[in-house]
Amino acid sequence: DVKVTQSSRYLVKRTGEKVFLECVQDMDHENMFWYRQDPGLGLRLIYFSYDVKMKEKGDIPEGYSVSREKKERFSLILESASTNQTSMYLCASSFVGTNEKLFFGSGTQLSVL
Amino acid sequence: QKEVEQDPGPLSVPEGAIVSLNCTYSNSAFQYFMWYRQYSRKGPELLMYTYSSGNKEDGRFTAQVDKSSKYISLFIRDSQPSDSATYLCAMNTLPQGGSEKLVFGKGMKLTVNP
Repeated sequence: DVKVTQSSRYLVKRTGEKVFLECVQDMDHENMFWYRQDPGLGLRLIYFSYDVKMKEKGDIPEGYSVSREKKERFSLILESASTNQTSMYLCASSFVGTNEKLFFGSGTQLSVL
Repeated sequence: QKEVEQDPGPLSVPEGAIVSLNCTYSNSAFQYFMWYRQYSRKGPELLMYTYSSGNKEDGRFTAQVDKSSKYISLFIRDSQPSDSATYLCAMNTLPQGGSEKLVFGKGMKLTVNP
């Protein structure tokens, strides 16, 4: 089975802290994604990556950055956490050209106080 | 008009009921249609996947696409309490739609009561 693992299920941080969310997939997928999910707003794409060291902005990249140093690992960085970044963060991965069967992790519920 | 519209519910039904979940869309270029199921405190998982118009059946689940009406449906027969989850529709274009172009509905929360 494809496994997408997110390092933390719950995280509580203070405003202004730098926050790292880690995601690892074990199926050699080229594509990796970070979404956030908020009630009433659904899933929104933050960043995605088609390859190592490659990144592209999604719909809501402001306040976030990403890093993909290895194919299996995709990190989301909140440079200076703010309360409006309190959300459920979901990592996903897929093969190139499968149009578009995403495999999601279980999510990280981040609270910024 | 949003690209994909999905009634957020919630929807509550008794065990054994037939459930119909629906999405409408505005982009006629959408060709790939998916339903994801998301249990509480979990990530979404792909449930059904169809290409273009028509029906696809998998056990108690049937996905239906009507491109002329820009309307997709997911039917659940003999619903079970284990079907209680949020259901998200998703769709993408052909042929160049990359995963980043996948458009999701907001999700419908379904509760099946024993």
